[in-house]
Amino acid sequence: QSALTQPPSASGSPGQSVTISCTGTSSDVGGYEYVSWYQQHPDKAPKLLIYEVNKRPSGVPDRFSGSKSGNTASLTISGLQAEDEADYYCNSNAGSHYYVFGTGTTVSVL
Amino acid sequence: EVQLVESGGGLVQPGGSLRLSCAASGFSFSQYWMGWVRQAPGKGLEWVANIKQDGSETYHADSVKGRFTISRDNAKNSLHVQMNSLRVEDTGVYYCARWGLSAGLDKWGQGTLVTVSS
Repeated sequence: QSALTQPPSASGSPGQSVTISCTGTSSDVGGYEYVSWYQQHPDKAPKLLIYEVNKRPSGVPDRFSGSKSGNTASLTISGLQAEDEADYYCNSNAGSHYYVFGTGTTVSVL
Repeated sequence: EVQLVESGGGLVQPGGSLRLSCAASGFSFSQYWMGWVRQAPGKGLEWVANIKQDGSETYHADSVKGRFTISRDNAKNSLHVQMNSLRVEDTGVYYCARWGLSAGLDKWGQGTLVTVSS
């Protein structure tokens, strides 16, 4: 159960788009459609943004979108806003009901 | 309103034990998979364990297997994790979370801090 690989940081100006990658293996990201993404502001609990690769829970802005190709999943934030400055984590099923998180990416809004 | 409230955290010496609890309200607790996720200070999220709706299946991360045990009491709408043989590297905030019907952790508690130190 090795952590999925994410870039440590990403940034963009307000209104721009930012894409965060999440790289795993065929035993996790590449093998299942159960990839989810979470946003975490400092000293707060994580919040679900995306589930099942590209689905958004009600209440999550459509600026957030997810995709997957092979062993790599991606989260794109379009129309970046100041409140998007946070840490982002991917999560994938790794067989049966085992799961693994990504290493996390800090997004900065310039 | 869905609420998950963790309790039981604190300071414990290496090798010691601690039992965390999570009180659930605002939803049909017995219909959901539940899990624990932890976060070491300044570090990322780490999945710890999952438990099926009726408690018949449990899954633990390799890092805690054999030391931690997840359990639930559906009559009391509560989730627990018994943590034995604690190590310094088990220090962190422990979150209780609900697995939504869509394979995402859709509700989280506020977390409880566990500190393992001599």
